[in-house]
Amino acid sequence: NAGVTQTPKFQVLKTGQSMTLQCAQDMNHEYMSWYRQDPGMGLRLIHYSVGAGITDQGEVPNGYNVSRSTTEDFPLRLLSAAPSQTSVYFCASREGHLNTEAFFGQGTRLTVV
Amino acid sequence: DQQVKQNSPSLSVQEGRISILNCDYTNSMFDYFLWYKKYPAEGPTFLISISSIKDKNEDGRFTVFLNKSAKHLSLHIVPSQPGDSAVYFCAAAGYNTDKLIFGTGTRLQVFP
Repeated sequence: NAGVTQTPKFQVLKTGQSMTLQCAQDMNHEYMSWYRQDPGMGLRLIHYSVGAGITDQGEVPNGYNVSRSTTEDFPLRLLSAAPSQTSVYFCASREGHLNTEAFFGQGTRLTVV
Repeated sequence: DQQVKQNSPSLSVQEGRISILNCDYTNSMFDYFLWYKKYPAEGPTFLISISSIKDKNEDGRFTVFLNKSAKHLSLHIVPSQPGDSAVYFCAAAGYNTDKLIFGTGTRLQVFP
C-alpha cells in the first residue's frame, strides 16, 4: 500500500533555481492538493486539483505552478526559488468533495539558500 | 486572512487527564470539519471528523464537539496518553468550495 508518495524527501536549492516536487497516489483519488507547513502558520493550501486537467489556486499560490495530466500525478513546480519558499511541503489526496479524509505524503523539506 | 484558527500553539497535559484542543473558523459556509494528528517527520493522518448536521462525534478516546453558532469546534482526548503527544490540526471544508483548509496547529504534550 503505497498511498501518497512524494519525492524527494530533502532538497537544497540556490535562489533562482527551479525544481519540481513530485507527488503520486495509487488510490484513484480525484482530489489532490499541495500544502506548505511553516512554524506558526500551520498547513497552508498552495494549489489543488479536482481531477485530471483541472487545477486551481489555494491560499498561497504565488511562485508555484501545477499541472494534472493524469489522475495519479500532481507535480509542484518552483520556477525561480526564493528563500521565502523554504518550508516543508506536503501533497495530499482524497476521494471526493466532502466527507472524505485526506491522505498525506511524508513531506519534502526544501531549503532555499 | 486565516479562515481556520487554533489559538493555542501548545498544550501540556498529564497522562490520564483530559486534553481539550480548540479550533475557531470564520467562514459560515464550512460544512464539514476534521482533525488530523501529525508526528515529526511524518505527514498528517486523519483522526476524526464531524458534519455540520451533528454537534458531537465520538471515536474511542476521541470526541469532537461542534458549536455552529459560535463557529467553534473542540477535540477532547480522554484519557490522554504519552503516545498522543503530537501536533493536532483542525481542517474545514464546505459544499461551495473544493478546498480543504487547515488551521495553524496545536502541539500537545502528554507527560507521565
